[in-house]
This record gives sequence, structure tokens and C-alpha cells, in this order.
Amino acid sequence: QVQVQESGPGLVKPSETLSLICTVSGVSITTYYWNWIRQAPGRGLEWIGYTSYSGSTNYNPSLKSRVTMSLDTSQNQFSLKLTSVTAADTAVYYCARDQGVLGGFEYWGQGSLVTVAS
Amino acid sequence: SYELTQPPSVSVSPGQTANITCSGDNLEDRYTCWYQQKPGQSPVLVIYQDTKRPSGIPGRFSGSNSGNTATLTIGGTQAMDEAIYYCQAWDTSAARVFGGGTKLTVL
Repeated sequence: QVQVQESGPGLVKPSETLSLICTVSGVSITTYYWNWIRQAPGRGLEWIGYTSYSGSTNYNPSLKSRVTMSLDTSQNQFSLKLTSVTAADTAVYYCARDQGVLGGFEYWGQGSLVTVAS
Repeated sequence: SYELTQPPSVSVSPGQTANITCSGDNLEDRYTCWYQQKPGQSPVLVIYQDTKRPSGIPGRFSGSNSGNTATLTIGGTQAMDEAIYYCQAWDTSAARVFGGGTKLTVL
């Protein structure tokens, strides 16, 4: 059974870097696409980007200049770094797996609320 | 960048059919997925590849995609189907794109 679980600080100061980790169990991260998606309070879903089984990445153009994603195959984890955060980055951050255009986001974490405040 | 447009809200009576639309340029040329999100929960995939249901999703959920519009249909809508529904597709650079979401009210 595939499970994904986000972890990281719940509070980040403005202008600092938001860092989250997604731990995957039940499948190797050397397969499929591993995504980060966020949802600001009361708002819709926003795709942040993915890191693929090969380590390639693809980011939302609106966030591309601030985002870095990577795989840690030894830990079966993948990570998100978002730099220069502002209050507008306050959101629930989800990690999720998809199979590319032939599938959707089949497995989601429970979400990690990150608040940007001083 | 590619955009998907959904109506903010749809209302349906229990037992009736709900249709939720998602519009985008030549959307029929892309596979579309649909997600259900209930308050305080993570989204759940209910339709992928326009028409396919993941294991465990009830048969009353179905999808279609033609022209510029994809449609999620819920037949015999139940109170438990009240949720926000999001469509999702891919743009030409393989970026994932979500619609703004549609709140389904069962009343």
C-alpha cells in the first residue's frame, strides 16, 4: 500500500526558505512522478511542481524562480524548498504521486500547514 | 499558460444527476482528471483519463471530454457527494494545471 507523508516546520519567517520533506512507503520513488501541491486557506489547489523518477524536474512557471525539488533515493523521500517566502505562501502543502498523463494524482499526503509569519 | 475554468457552484437535489463542467482550449486533446475534496481532507481522485474510475470509486461517478469541455457526472447524487470538485489536465510542457474548483451542494 502506497503512503506519502509530509513533514517540516509549521512556521516560517518572511523572506526565509520553506523546506518540506515527503516520505514515501510502499513503492520506490525511482518510479513515477512526485509532486508538491498547495492550497491557501479557503482557496483552490495550486500545482507547485514535480521531481520525476529520474530526478528531472518541472515547476509551475509562477513559482519557478523560487522552487527547488529533489529526490533522496536512500531515504525514499523527496523534498521541496521555496525561497523568499511571504504571507502569500501560507498554505497547506501536499505531496502526491502521479503516473504522468495516463493517470492522475492517485496518492496524497494528509497535508502540512505552513504559516509564514514573523 | 494553460487555463481550466469551472463554475464556482452547482446545486442538485438528492437522487438527481449533477453535471460539473471544466473548460479549456481544445481540452479534448488532453486527458482530464477529477478530484473530490471534502472539508479538512486531502483530495481524492475520482476520474482519470477522462472516463476511468479508480478502484473504490462508486459507479455513479462518470466523466466525458469533448471539444473544449470536460464533464464530471454524478448520477443519483447522495448527500455524501457534497464536496468541492477540481478538474486537472496537463499543458504542453507537461505542467499539471487545476481548475478553480466547483462546490457541489446537495439540497
